[in-house]
Amino acid sequence: SQQGEEDPQALSIQEGENATMNCSYKTSINNLQWYRQNSGRGLVHLILIRSNEREKHSGRLRVTLDTSKKSSSLLITASRAADTASYFCATDAKNSGYSTLTFGKGTMLLVSP
Amino acid sequence: DVKVTQSSRYLVKRTGEKVFLECVQDMDHENMFWYRQDPGLGLRLIYFSYDVKMKEKGDIPEGYSVSREKKERFSLILESASTNQTSMYLCASSFLAIVNSRGGADTYSNQPQHFGDGTRLSIL
Repeated sequence: SQQGEEDPQALSIQEGENATMNCSYKTSINNLQWYRQNSGRGLVHLILIRSNEREKHSGRLRVTLDTSKKSSSLLITASRAADTASYFCATDAKNSGYSTLTFGKGTMLLVSP
Repeated sequence: DVKVTQSSRYLVKRTGEKVFLECVQDMDHENMFWYRQDPGLGLRLIYFSYDVKMKEKGDIPEGYSVSREKKERFSLILESASTNQTSMYLCASSFLAIVNSRGGADTYSNQPQHFGDGTRLSIL
């Protein structure tokens, strides 16, 4: 079953604007991760936030995590055309033994010059 | 920098053929993964491996098998290719972190995955 679900499915903004993407999930997690995928390429890891963290920054990226609502958001500030990509959240469910990341279906971001 | 290399960017095969997709990583990662990505369906896990000669089924293992004879190499095999296996295939690797170890039972945390550039496979 799908653990992480991104919202919106697609987002179109102008350069310089901020972009916000949301992720909701269903079970307890160890961590939540955000990835970017440029068209026709593999995914690139952006940021990992642990379940005991509420906010994390990396350059123009800001990630928040609300474990009570089982949701996370990714904010890209002052977006650029080069930020055009699909963005995925992935959850690391809290299980005993081995488990794997569960990826959402992604938000497609288009940043126009 | 971690490098995950997939043997082909584009591949065209015929139905019924046995197809091998190869993936090599250079960071001594314990975990390796094979996903397929289809429009509207996102990433779906086919198989993963947490150690040499170990393999675990993912969400959609039917029609596929894997091989991990060496730590750095993880191969995906389509035993008899069919048109519904036309897709983008992504390989990834990661470290395995133990977050809790009590009474002989370990709990693991998934660390960031590093992806290859993908193989776009067409089955005709």
